[in-house]
Amino acid sequence: EAEVAQSPRYKITEKSQAVAFWCDPISGHATLYWYRQILGQGPELLVQFQDESVVDDSQLPKDRFSAERLKGVDSTLKIQPAELGDSAMYLCASSPGTDDTIYFGEGSWLTVV
Amino acid sequence: SQQGEEDPQALSIQEGENATMNCSYKTSINNLQWYRQNSGRGLVHLILIRSNEREKHSGRLRVTLDTSKKSSSLLITASRAADTASYFCATDGTGANNLFFGTGTRLTVIP
Repeated sequence: EAEVAQSPRYKITEKSQAVAFWCDPISGHATLYWYRQILGQGPELLVQFQDESVVDDSQLPKDRFSAERLKGVDSTLKIQPAELGDSAMYLCASSPGTDDTIYFGEGSWLTVV
Repeated sequence: SQQGEEDPQALSIQEGENATMNCSYKTSINNLQWYRQNSGRGLVHLILIRSNEREKHSGRLRVTLDTSKKSSSLLITASRAADTASYFCATDGTGANNLFFGTGTRLTVIP
């Protein structure tokens, strides 16, 4: 069964350093999402892509976060500089299109020290 | 906010019993989805129910949707220890295919 691939699985970084996460969605899925999940809470949307275009990045802290999906396939989420409050799990998800099931990857755990 | 709210926050039952979790939301939706999350892992999709559907089954899962009350329930029958996880409902907004999650129900099934 096809899966959403994410890496790295775990990342520990020092405050003020840069960190990047990579996601490869299920083949053929046009829509890609990045969610952030703080421990004990539900996931919250950071950014949504339709192919290579950003559909919604209203909750993305743009002073330090950036996301790209240059060829409309895989995607990178970057944080620079990392802050202590960024410690969370970063989940990538994909969907064939609108009004469809959204499939999640295993997530990337970030700890900022 | 369109965020779903699950109830109860935590539920502990014996293996073999049924578990019922509820979800309430605030705005109109196209569909509502239920997900399971084992500790430290990603979310696993369980079931999607559309706004024009009232009930849906998948194996030991039964989901109901009442759009007039803006609520949904997830029933897991004959629970197993492996069902121990957090369960989230997620709603979309009409015209948007992203998901708004609640804080989840933490289910513990005691062997």
